[in-house]
Amino acid sequence: GNSVTQMEGPVTLSEEAFLTINCTYTATGYPSLFWYVQYPGEGLQLLLKATKADDKGSNKGFEATYRKETTSFHLEKGSVQVSDSAVYFCALKAMDSSYKLIFGSGTRLLVRP
Amino acid sequence: SQTIHQWPATLVQPVGSPLSLECTVEGTSNPNLYWYRQAAGRGLQLLFYSVGIGQISSEVPQNLSASRPQDRQFILSSKKLLLSDSGFYLCAWGDRDEQFFGPGTRLTVL
Repeated sequence: GNSVTQMEGPVTLSEEAFLTINCTYTATGYPSLFWYVQYPGEGLQLLLKATKADDKGSNKGFEATYRKETTSFHLEKGSVQVSDSAVYFCALKAMDSSYKLIFGSGTRLLVRP
Repeated sequence: SQTIHQWPATLVQPVGSPLSLECTVEGTSNPNLYWYRQAAGRGLQLLFYSVGIGQISSEVPQNLSASRPQDRQFILSSKKLLLSDSGFYLCAWGDRDEQFFGPGTRLTVL
């Protein structure tokens, strides 16, 4: 079946450090992949997505590349800010008509000034 | 543009009491609708989804139920709450491209 595995947090970084949050998936076929972000006390916001192999999603300085050969979709940012502190969720979309998302367990990022 | 409303925003209920959480969507028609739960410090668990009025699929057996009485209305219910029902409940609508989430309801069962 479909599943998503994320690195466990929390990840604690100093401001302007480089960020990588690992995400790997198991799926039949080539699902669309997503990163969502959840700020404290809020719902989820779509951060970026990729719909096919080798696609790179990017937004707000974050990037992730859909790697078919390694079944990965790692999230990166070159220089994090305190305002990036949040929980990040990797997800894949089921390829049937339900369009449901299968989420990873989430990774909490804490950026210190 | 599409908007998702959820209410209430927070709720504190005693064990054994009933529950009704409501979600409405604006700006789209015939969306797929979803209920997720996020337990404290944990990931998101899909509870129910609906591809049309009256069509409900349950992902996890539990003492919760869902209904979709109108195209853009999705309701999560329980007859008797358990302590383990505490969590953050998120409604979402989606199409083939992506999903959009509501602001969530934080439920505490005491």
